[in-house]
Order: sequence, then C-alpha cells, then structure tokens
Amino acid sequence: NAGVMQNPRHLVRRRGQEARLRCSPMKGHSHVYWYRQLPEEGLKFMVYLQKENIIDESGMPKERFSAEFPKEGPSILRIQQVVRGDSAAYFCASSITGQGPNEKLFFGSGTQLSVL
Amino acid sequence: AQSVTQPDIHITVSEGASLELRCNYSYGATPYLFWYVQSPGQGLQLLLKYFSGDTLVQGIKGFEAEFKRSQSSFNLRKPSVHWSDAAEYFCAVGARGGADGLTFGKGTHLIIQP
Repeated sequence: NAGVMQNPRHLVRRRGQEARLRCSPMKGHSHVYWYRQLPEEGLKFMVYLQKENIIDESGMPKERFSAEFPKEGPSILRIQQVVRGDSAAYFCASSITGQGPNEKLFFGSGTQLSVL
Repeated sequence: AQSVTQPDIHITVSEGASLELRCNYSYGATPYLFWYVQSPGQGLQLLLKYFSGDTLVQGIKGFEAEFKRSQSSFNLRKPSVHWSDAAEYFCAVGARGGADGLTFGKGTHLIIQP
C-alpha cells in the first residue's frame, strides 16, 4: 500500500509562471491537507479538502493560490504568477475520516518549490 | 490564538545519551498535542500525541512525552538516542485533534555525535 505520493519532488519556476503541485493520498483516504513549510519555520496549514469539496481554506493566501481534489485523480495545489516568497516546501497529508482525536495523518515527502 | 514555541533550534547529543526536546504552547482550552519527526527528504511522521488521560505518553521509536499543564509544556524525551534519530522534530498543538486546527513550532534540529 503506497503512502502519500507527491510530485514533483523539486519544482523550479521563474517569477510570474504557474506552479502545479500534485498529491495522491493513500488508498482509501478521501481527506487531503496541504501545508507549507517556509525556511526556518514549522508547517503552516493551508487548506483541507475532501473529494470535490473544500472544507477549510483559512490558511490559503487570498490571491494566486487555489486547490482542488477532484473525484478522480490527485489533489492539485496551484500557484499562479509565482513570486520569490512562494519558495518553500509544500507538504500534503491524507487521512481516512478527517476529524477527531483518533485521526491519523499520513504525510508525503513534500515538493520543494524554488522560484528564481 | 494558539502558538507553539520550541526554544532550541539545534541540539547536539552523543549517541547513547539521553535526550529532551522542549516544547511550550499557548492555548485557551485543553490542547491536543503532537510530536512529529521529519527525516531528511521525507515527510512528517507522527511520534506521539496527547489528548487526555495519562500525562506521560509513549510513542514510537522509544520516544515519550510528558504533558505538564502548570508549565504549558509537552517535552519530548528518549533515554538513549541512536544515530538514526538525527532529524528535525516538530511540536504541534491542535484545537480539535484534526489536521485543520494544527499549529506547528519551528522545529528543533537534532544532531547525533558518534
């Protein structure tokens, strides 16, 4: 049973380009979370999605960032018109139920985004 | 607002020695507390978590943590470290136990000396 798969592992973009980060949750998991890790900082929650629904996007910047988790296929975190400040590691996590103290999250290895 | 402080950015420990990583939190109600480990090139792995009950929590890989409400602390300990424990350790606090309410500390980088 493969774990949470993120690709690409490393993504380099020039300022103004678009970045697409993909996350395939563990088999049987229908809840996906995206986190951003800035250099020298801990993870910061961005968005929580279920299949075809955004449950909580309180951590998402209001502009240029969007996320989706379609019925079929991976979850996508999309960053339009990237700027240097978007350079960070983006982690995806998945879970079965999505809530509660017994919830267990499984994390991917992350995508390192570098904006030139 | 909830917050987590990990006062030590780097810690160096000799292999076989004991380890304690500090974590202090700020939260208005009873928190849910977590410790995660991030090895180079890998995602986060949950070491242990505290929700209620016994304040001494046992985790994987021989780690334990103690919740001390009076000190607002949740320090991670291991009696004898191994070279494979070298990694980044994150403490986190949550409101509802789910991922959407987690706040992470900045992490402590653990270096193991032979």
